[in-house]
Amino acid sequence: AQSVTQLGSHVSVSEGALVLLRCNYSSSVPPYLFWYVQYPNQGLQLLLKYTTGATLVKGINGFEAEFKKSETSFHLTKPSAHMSDAAEYFCAVTEEGNNRLAFGKGNQVVVIP
Amino acid sequence: GAVVSQHPSWVICKSGTSVKIECRSLDFQATTMFWYRQFPKQSLMLMATSNEGSKATYEQGVEKDKFLINHASLTLSTLTVTSAHPEDSSFYICSSGTSGYPYDNEQFFGPGTRLTVL
Repeated sequence: AQSVTQLGSHVSVSEGALVLLRCNYSSSVPPYLFWYVQYPNQGLQLLLKYTTGATLVKGINGFEAEFKKSETSFHLTKPSAHMSDAAEYFCAVTEEGNNRLAFGKGNQVVVIP
Repeated sequence: GAVVSQHPSWVICKSGTSVKIECRSLDFQATTMFWYRQFPKQSLMLMATSNEGSKATYEQGVEKDKFLINHASLTLSTLTVTSAHPEDSSFYICSSGTSGYPYDNEQFFGPGTRLTVL
């Protein structure tokens, strides 16, 4: 069964500093990987996704993630944090032919001015 | 991407009453919709998967008689919380599922419904 591990429920980052959120997955077949962002009292918005092809994926708001099969990882980064990046971030995995998503526990990002 | 709406965005009800939440796929036909529940500071928990024209598939531990799901059309799924109790207070989120190119199993999420049971 597919699963996702996100470590560190709360992540504090200074404004202008690198944002790094780690995601490791488990899947028996090649995975589809997603990062979603959630602002308070809102639904989830897709940041980026990996299905096939280029392993470095660029998303919205300056975020990017790299799929590393050997490490079963899909870490999310942004070079310079902005105050508006304060939100909850979820990594999720699914598999071709199975559209159920398995979510990680999420990372609450706090941006310090 | 596709747009999914939910109504209402928030609802307060008395214990013992039933509450219906609507999830609409506004600009594409969703053969599959998902219903999630999210407690404060926690991840999304899948409650059930609904397929248009057939019975919903509930996750283990979710009471199907308490959380009634209807997916009568390709654009509308409803979740009814029957005989609501304070422990049912939560944030409920629906999503429309896709498959194949170009969406590749991406789910499009509604804005969520905050249910408070007094």
